[in-house]
Amino acid sequence: GESVGLHLPTLSVQEGDNSIINCAYSNSASDYFIWYKQESGKGPQFIIDIRSNMDKRQGQRVTVLLNKTVKHLSLQIAATQPGDSAVYFCAETLAGGADGLTFGKGTHLIIQP
Amino acid sequence: EAQVTQNPRYLITVTGKKLTVTCSQNMNHEYMSWYRQDPGLGLRQIYYSMNVEVTDKGDVPEGYKVSRKEKRNFPLILESPSPNQTSLYFCASSLGLAGGHYEQYFGPGTRLTVT
Repeated sequence: GESVGLHLPTLSVQEGDNSIINCAYSNSASDYFIWYKQESGKGPQFIIDIRSNMDKRQGQRVTVLLNKTVKHLSLQIAATQPGDSAVYFCAETLAGGADGLTFGKGTHLIIQP
Repeated sequence: EAQVTQNPRYLITVTGKKLTVTCSQNMNHEYMSWYRQDPGLGLRQIYYSMNVEVTDKGDVPEGYKVSRKEKRNFPLILESPSPNQTSLYFCASSLGLAGGHYEQYFGPGTRLTVT
């Protein structure tokens, strides 16, 4: 599938601040998007998802925004905590999901005390 | 506990020696998949299976085989490993695509080194 990319390989934020992690996708046919968190030594963990018919979805301390016009996806983490330190991946799939997920290269979120 | 398990977690082997990495899930998921993760390249799909006896190639299938004889198991087979298959491997599963359940749950990973 076409690639899903992230703007920054590393993002450093102060503890307590809000974090915004960005992702650009190139396939306008993508129907479903997911954010994953991967802590050191572990497999990716599902955080939140959004379908292409939505532009915003909120979870606990996290919000995903989808701008289909510019093919941009973002993950906002409120009041960043030390436990949020991880690599964050966006992933996309086409309608039906049969081709599986295509992942971006990841952004390493570093929390400064 | 609902989980995806992989074995072994770590493996060092030599070129050409056949190996199998097992993957098992206890969530009755229909869809299972294998990925490899390499620095700077992110996660790339190797093979996936939409149900028992149904498997398809992902983005990087060369040098790998899979089988899906039972719903819970999806082993990854390297018939003749080569050093370029040194990587971190993840198995994942999801409930099924028919209901729009695309989110995948990942195992803990298998770190493979081929010398």
